[in-house]
Amino acid sequence: AQSVTQLDSHVSVSEGTPVLLRCNYSSSYSPSLFWYVQHPNKGLQLLLKYTSAATLVKGINGFEAEFKKSETSFHLTKPSAHMSDAAEYFCVVTPGYSSASKIIFGSGTRLSIRP
Amino acid sequence: DTAVSQTPKYLVTQMGNDKSIKCEQNLGHDTMYWYKQDSKKFLKIMFSYNNKELIINETVPNRFSPKSPDKAHLNLHINSLELGDSAVYFCASSQKRPGQGYEQYFGPGTRLTVT
Repeated sequence: AQSVTQLDSHVSVSEGTPVLLRCNYSSSYSPSLFWYVQHPNKGLQLLLKYTSAATLVKGINGFEAEFKKSETSFHLTKPSAHMSDAAEYFCVVTPGYSSASKIIFGSGTRLSIRP
Repeated sequence: DTAVSQTPKYLVTQMGNDKSIKCEQNLGHDTMYWYKQDSKKFLKIMFSYNNKELIINETVPNRFSPKSPDKAHLNLHINSLELGDSAVYFCASSQKRPGQGYEQYFGPGTRLTVT
């Protein structure tokens, strides 16, 4: 069985400070992990993905995430927040090798940026 | 060109009516999905089609019926609309590659309001 837990429903940081959005997962398979961003009144956009290659993954807009199997985590980070980063972020786990299309979304983390 | 498109963008209707939402993708993907996002931003998968074949059918009322005339289109028909159906509905598509999981591309969403 698979599951994903986003540990914070809301994170607020000041512009220019680091961002950390936490995600823990469980999976019976070797998982593929994704982070998506949803800006207000928009669809979801892929930020980055882990698919069993490099454990440190770089994405768009300066975001990166590290896959840590021992901690079953895939936390999203950015060194310096920008006002345009304010959005909802979703961590997603999918089976890497299973033929079943079972995709699990986290409950989302709302990121607010203070001027 | 828009990769995944949905129509309409907004839909306001009364209880008891029947309505449809259309989705089209021009990415050549073989899998398409419908998601429901509630007011708390929680995303729930409803259906998934692979090459016009239904592969995921989550616990969704029978009033919801997906139809896939070809692998580029997945429509959602809703009968006897209820207040609780008010939400944003997202269409998505993906193309599974070995070891790559299911990277999804999302449409802009359809905001359904039932009065």
